Amino acid sequence: GAVVSQHPSRVICKSGTSVKIECRSLDFQATTMFWYRQFPKQSLMLMATSNEGSKATYEQGVEKDKFLINHASLTLSTLTVTSAHPEDSSFYICSARSHSGRVAKNIQYFGAGTRLSVL
Amino acid sequence: GQQLNQSPQSMFIQEGEDVSMNCTSSSIFNTWLWYKQEPGEGPVLLIALYKAGELTSNGRLTAQFGITRKDSFLNISASIPSDVGIYFCAGQGGSNYKLTFGKGTLLTVNP
Repeated sequence: GAVVSQHPSRVICKSGTSVKIECRSLDFQATTMFWYRQFPKQSLMLMATSNEGSKATYEQGVEKDKFLINHASLTLSTLTVTSAHPEDSSFYICSARSHSGRVAKNIQYFGAGTRLSVL
Repeated sequence: GQQLNQSPQSMFIQEGEDVSMNCTSSSIFNTWLWYKQEPGEGPVLLIALYKAGELTSNGRLTAQFGITRKDSFLNISASIPSDVGIYFCAGQGGSNYKLTFGKGTLLTVNP
């Protein structure tokens, strides 16, 4: 099956610091990657859509200067939470839309998520 | 944002029982997907449906893409304890293939 690697799985940081989360598609190329945030007992909330080589498109209410997204290659996207505060504590999940490779095309495959705790 | 109507919200069943859950939408989708999420993990794809009326199985799981393209159901037969988790339906559409998620069905299986 398709593998999307997300790292780190858990991070604890002090308020005011920045945290970078990586998302890699291991066995397929992904023109588009997505970043979600999930609150306890709720569904996934789309934060932004990232296309390789271009600026990310953010959903309404998501601060682009707060959540910096870079999609430098067809297999890697990063999310940087800048100047993190306790209210940024959450479960962040990335997904990659399969573009080519031995997987079903145009399907979103998800990473395992990153639990961010800001003290 | 927009969400699908997924029901039931939760289910408590005995091992061996069959389970059924469904999603409805006011919008048409080109693809319906069913994912399972376990605590502390990301969603894992179970079944993808591409055509209206399509019925697809994956082991004990069966899902159908409604003829109107506005609904889908997922059945799990002969449930086992490891079926425990949250099941999400998702409709896919648009140029970037964005997903619209249901609120999830929490499944608990008693041994």
